[in-house]
Amino acid sequence: KAGVTQTPRYLIKTRGQQVTLSCSPISGHRSVSWYQQTPGQGLQFLFEYFSETQRNKGNFPGRFSGRQFSNSRSEMNVSTLELGDSALYLCASSPGGSSGANVLTFGAGSRLTVL
Amino acid sequence: SQKIEQNSEALNIQEGKTATLTCNYTNYSPAYLQWYRQDPGRGPVFLLLIRENEKEKRKERLKVTFDTTLKQSLFHITASQPADSATYLCALPDTGRRALTFGSGTRLQVQP
Repeated sequence: KAGVTQTPRYLIKTRGQQVTLSCSPISGHRSVSWYQQTPGQGLQFLFEYFSETQRNKGNFPGRFSGRQFSNSRSEMNVSTLELGDSALYLCASSPGGSSGANVLTFGAGSRLTVL
Repeated sequence: SQKIEQNSEALNIQEGKTATLTCNYTNYSPAYLQWYRQDPGRGPVFLLLIRENEKEKRKERLKVTFDTTLKQSLFHITASQPADSATYLCALPDTGRRALTFGSGTRLQVQP
């Protein structure tokens, strides 16, 4: 079956702009998580969506937001971009049940560069 | 939240040898621990999960151990190959929320 698809793969923005990233999870997976990866901080959890609701949230400012659609596809948005937002943004999907281990299938990521 | 320590220095080994990577964690003991592999510019790929009541788990050339007393997991790759060169991340479940906390990863370089 198809894996997790993220678009776009690469993008360049300037400070102050906003960006929207898209993620299509594995068919049948209802949970979508977003992570930010930078060389200095590693993988940092942003948020998780399940059945169109934000179920968990990391410690990021309100400029970072997301949503999930009825088909489980998800988008994340970063407004008022800062240089420090340059990172690889990774989306991961999982079946999403509240019990059991949370094994993630990641997409290839969206590489955001803020100039 | 969980704090995870992985050796940040790259591990260089010769082809055919066994690579051993370490993951140490503080705070609470997790119900399970996972290992992922990440290649440059790609997302992490799940390799193995070991539960707190399991001492060891194997999958082909991979072996993971889990010592809840030492708060440590060891990840072994036997008969290593240059294709095993990648960054290996360990991950544990957060407390209070359904998310994983990842270590910073250890880069493995297998020399032919």
